[in-house]
Amino acid sequence: QQQVKQSPQSLIVQKGGISIINCAYENTAFDYFPWYQQFPGKGPALLIAIRPDVSEKKEGRFTISFNKSAKQFSLHIMDSQPGDSATYFCAASRGNNDMRFGAGTRLTVKP
Amino acid sequence: EAGVAQSPRYKIIEKRQSVAFWCNPISGHATLYWYQQILGQGPKLLIQFQNNGVVDDSQLPKDRFSAERLKGVDSTLKIQPAKLEDSAVYLCASSLTGAKNIQYFGAGTRLSVL
Repeated sequence: QQQVKQSPQSLIVQKGGISIINCAYENTAFDYFPWYQQFPGKGPALLIAIRPDVSEKKEGRFTISFNKSAKQFSLHIMDSQPGDSATYFCAASRGNNDMRFGAGTRLTVKP
Repeated sequence: EAGVAQSPRYKIIEKRQSVAFWCNPISGHATLYWYQQILGQGPKLLIQFQNNGVVDDSQLPKDRFSAERLKGVDSTLKIQPAKLEDSAVYLCASSLTGAKNIQYFGAGTRLSVL
């Protein structure tokens, strides 16, 4: 039962470009929406997260946009760099419980 | 601050054998999670502990998987007997208690079942 749908599956962006990854969720009880970054051979690491009381959160080059009515949220990476090449996962959870991950987006930033 | 420690990093077994994975969370983290990450997919929560009690094991295949956290610190996840479809990376994560849900992940154990 896929409660968080993520797209695209893979993404290729030129250095300096904008990377955009989208997610949609089903369960309106979710109240925490993190994005994780995973490099090969490593565990996922929290990148940025948002709660549904705000529509946007920005940290450096990373921005989450959140649309509660549409049950969608997205990650924007500005000025994408080769070091950003990794797999990105969106997720959603209820408080501290029941975290559901999207299937992941493999991002490649070409120099 | 030391991160989440997992061992072994890699394990190769034959189907129907047993295997166990170990996790030591970040010191002071009361909540511990085990996830299964199949190649090309996102992590799937198997079980969540709060101290030494189980909070959620609804997605744990209990006929073959078991987990314990006896002293409320480190934890073991066991598969007995293993099937081919259990080939995956098994990730352990930990977090502080509370609504701020930052989960810190270990590097995982990559299991290959032949």
